Amino acid sequence: QVQLVESGGGVVQPGRSLRLSCAASGFTFGNFAIHWVRQAPGKELEWVAAISYDGRNKDYADSVKGRFTISRDNSKNTLYLQMSSLGAGDTALYYCAREHVVVLPTAHGPRASFDYWGQGTLVTVSS
Amino acid sequence: DIQMTQSPSSLSASVGDRVTITCRASQSISTYLNWYQQKPGKAPKLLIHAASILQNGVPSRFSGSGSGTDFTLTISSLQPEDFATYYCQHTYSTPPTFGQGTRVDIK
Repeated sequence: QVQLVESGGGVVQPGRSLRLSCAASGFTFGNFAIHWVRQAPGKELEWVAAISYDGRNKDYADSVKGRFTISRDNSKNTLYLQMSSLGAGDTALYYCAREHVVVLPTAHGPRASFDYWGQGTLVTVSS
Repeated sequence: DIQMTQSPSSLSASVGDRVTITCRASQSISTYLNWYQQKPGKAPKLLIHAASILQNGVPSRFSGSGSGTDFTLTISSLQPEDFATYYCQHTYSTPPTFGQGTRVDIK
């Protein structure tokens, strides 16, 4: 079965760095784009970053651009999120999610959704 | 960025009720719209993608409709396990933003 397992979260001081990992199993990891989505305590979901199946294309939310770097190692079935210059606003539960794309005969263009999610890893930025 | 606005933000309903949640996009997104269910302490779960396609394994009491800017998630007969927070999300462009969520509570 498809599994995504995040790790690497913890308590970190403002301005410091942290690297999150997302280990995938149960599917051909190298065939899928993967996203990071975060959720601050009691708040809504916020998309953070995405990486294409081959790692060539990456996108970031404006709130993390220049501070976070998404990467992947398809030989290890693992996704990463390197986070630097962390601030209180980065405190959240970080999820990785697999992108699912369908091509519909009645629609122009493929449709994407996030069909599998990990359980999340908590990042707390605090002095 | 495209903004997604859900209404209501919360609602109270009874088992067996028909529940409707709406989601409005700040610009037309065709049918690039997904719905997720999130229970406390759990990851979101995909319910509906491409506005109206039920994800495998999701009960048929859930349905989605809409195109352009206005979308609806309907639960035809609310069950005890449906009490949760529901989010819409567009994937029309980057960033693929989420709505603020609709919490469905027990009346």
